[in-house]
Amino acid sequence: EPEVTQTPSHQVTQMGQEVILRCVPISNHLYFYWYRQILGQKVEFLVSFYNNEISEKSEIFDDQFSVERPDGSNFTLKIRSTKLEDSAMYFCASSRQGANTGELFFGEGSRLTVL
Amino acid sequence: DAKTTQPNSMESNEEEPVHLPCNHSTISGTDYIHWYRQLPSQGPEYVIHGLTSNVNNRMASLAIAEDRKSSTLILHRATLRDAAVYYCILRDYRNSGNTPLVFGKGTRLSVIA
Repeated sequence: EPEVTQTPSHQVTQMGQEVILRCVPISNHLYFYWYRQILGQKVEFLVSFYNNEISEKSEIFDDQFSVERPDGSNFTLKIRSTKLEDSAMYFCASSRQGANTGELFFGEGSRLTVL
Repeated sequence: DAKTTQPNSMESNEEEPVHLPCNHSTISGTDYIHWYRQLPSQGPEYVIHGLTSNVNNRMASLAIAEDRKSSTLILHRATLRDAAVYYCILRDYRNSGNTPLVFGKGTRLSVIA
């Protein structure tokens, strides 16, 4: 069964460093998302991406964050200068249709630890 | 999007049916009812969705009240692997196609062997 894959599974970084989290969505999917989950808290929406541009973003997704689909298969989340509070599990998701009627497929997540 | 209310936690014995309720009294006629679950240390996973009629798939059944103000996710035989947080989410299909799924706190289901 096709799946969303994420790398790295765990990254430890120093505060202020740049981090890139990578995702390979399911190949015929058109909509892409990043979510995060701080330990013990809710899953929070960060950003959605369609047709090579951001569709929606949350308040969390400030200027420190960016997304890119560099080569038609990968979908990346970059955090320019990490803060302690960026420590979380980051989930990538993709769907063939929009989230209103379609099913989102999530990856297993990338755990980011900022020291 | 309309709000949903779910119990914080529920417990079930293994191999027994589980009925997970969700109240959505302010649901509009164009809201789909989606259920996702999150197993420990994993990303959320789609379970089922429906609009008006009851729905069945290999994972679960979704029973939707006639007035659509509530719904119930039914796991026919709970296994230990079904221990997870279950989220009931409403999505308006008229919205532009890519508005995000918003997760609440969900119901934490524990399954006892």
